[in-house]
Amino acid sequence: EIVLTQSPGTLSLSPGERATLSCRASQSVSSNYLAWYQQKPGQAPRLLIYGASSRATGIPDRFSGSASGTDFTLTISRLEPEDFAVYYCQQYGSSPGLTFGGGTKVEIK
Amino acid sequence: EAHLLESGGGLVQPGGSLRLSCAASGFTFSSYAMNWVRQAPGKGLEWVSAIIGRGDSTYYADSVKGRFTISRDNSKNTLYLQMNSLRAEDTAVYYCAKDRPTATLPYYFDSWGQGTLVTVSS
Repeated sequence: EIVLTQSPGTLSLSPGERATLSCRASQSVSSNYLAWYQQKPGQAPRLLIYGASSRATGIPDRFSGSASGTDFTLTISRLEPEDFAVYYCQQYGSSPGLTFGGGTKVEIK
Repeated sequence: EAHLLESGGGLVQPGGSLRLSCAASGFTFSSYAMNWVRQAPGKGLEWVSAIIGRGDSTYYADSVKGRFTISRDNSKNTLYLQMNSLRAEDTAVYYCAKDRPTATLPYYFDSWGQGTLVTVSS
C-alpha cells in the first residue's frame, strides 16, 4: 500500500498569501496518478487537481499542482477567503488500492 | 451537472447490517465507475469500494472486504452498499463519488454526494 504523508498538518496564512502544501508518497506513484481535494466543514470534498497537475473543471487558475519524484505539491498562488479549508491528496497509481493523505488544514492567521 | 444523493444511514448495533443507496442524476450513470468513500468523525478520507459501469467488476478496501458488498442498478441510476457485520470502527459519513467515464478501475472522484452518517454503537 502506498502511504501518503501530507505536511504541514496546519498552515496559518493570511488572505493574499501563497500557500504551499506537500504530499509525499512512500513509493513511486505510477504515471503521477495523484489528485487533490478541498473540503470545507460540513461539506463533501471537491476535486481540484488530477494527474498531479491538471485542474478539474471550474477550478480557478490560482490552484496548481506539481510533481517531483515521490513529492507532490499543491500551490495556491494567492489565498482567497473561500480557500481556507482542509486539503487532501489521493493516489490512484496503485488502483484498485487507493489511498488518501491525512490532510492539511489551511487556516486564517 | 452530476447530482448524487445518498440515503440509508442511521444507528445500528455492532454486528448489524445496513444498506446505503445513492441516487444519481445529470449524467449517463451506466458509463461511469462509482465509488464509496467514508470519513470517520473528525478524521480523514478512506476509500471503501468501487464498481465499474457495467457492474461486473467490484473492488474493496481490505478493511471491509468480505463484509461489504457494492452493487448498482443502472435501470434505476442507483448505487448501493450492503454493509454486514458492522463494527464500531465503521462509524463514518459515507459518500458516494463518481469516477472517470468508462473506467475499469477506480481512479479519482469528480463529483460527490453530501454523505450519509452511519453510527455503529450499542
